[in-house]
Amino acid sequence: DTEVTQTPKHLVMGMTNKKSLKCEQHMGHRAMYWYKQKAKKPPELMFVYSYEKLSINESVPSRFSPECPNSSLLNLHLHALQPEDSALYLCASTRDPYNSPLHFGNGTRLTVT
Amino acid sequence: GQQLNQSPQSMFIQEGEDVSMNCTSSSIFNTWLWYKQDPGEGPVLLIALYKAGELTSNGRLTAQFGITRKDSFLNISASIPSDVGIYFCAGLPLMNAGNMLTFGGGTRLMVKP
Repeated sequence: DTEVTQTPKHLVMGMTNKKSLKCEQHMGHRAMYWYKQKAKKPPELMFVYSYEKLSINESVPSRFSPECPNSSLLNLHLHALQPEDSALYLCASTRDPYNSPLHFGNGTRLTVT
Repeated sequence: GQQLNQSPQSMFIQEGEDVSMNCTSSSIFNTWLWYKQDPGEGPVLLIALYKAGELTSNGRLTAQFGITRKDSFLNISASIPSDVGIYFCAGLPLMNAGNMLTFGGGTRLMVKP
């Protein structure tokens, strides 16, 4: 079982909906990440939170809004998405922001209709 | 930006055969990681390499950090059906902030019983 828990596992939403993806880890890791993964492609970095502060935003459209309420939780708020945003959204964490391997959750499979 | 060239892109092998895949880069990396991803799940860390020349095993898996710091390989011995999946290499460059891993394009492994 993964130690990074993501909910929901699957999500179908319309282009006018607002929804949120949730991620939780209790390993005491101080950095958390959102990745987007299209079929048969490697994960692409979206956001990095380091010590609960947003440290990297990889030019992600504003229809994706991350939030880190505390060191264990990471949310991704979704609004007015496009069909091309359909993908597997992966959360990950690392012990610290430097030189430690990513631990991934099992992802949320998002379909935008 | 930095790129990792992973090969082969896919392999279809007979159960019991050995497998070899590799990643190369034009840039130097400080850390090499190998992940496996099963359908519908997030990538799982298989092996982490931190030192040039390092050779590390995890059961039937063996990985090496190239002496030039620009390449790594992963070998799987005596493959079994559950080895099926996509294998990703990933590297952390020497000068890095926020754990911006670079991923290879993946190797899709298929095993014929």
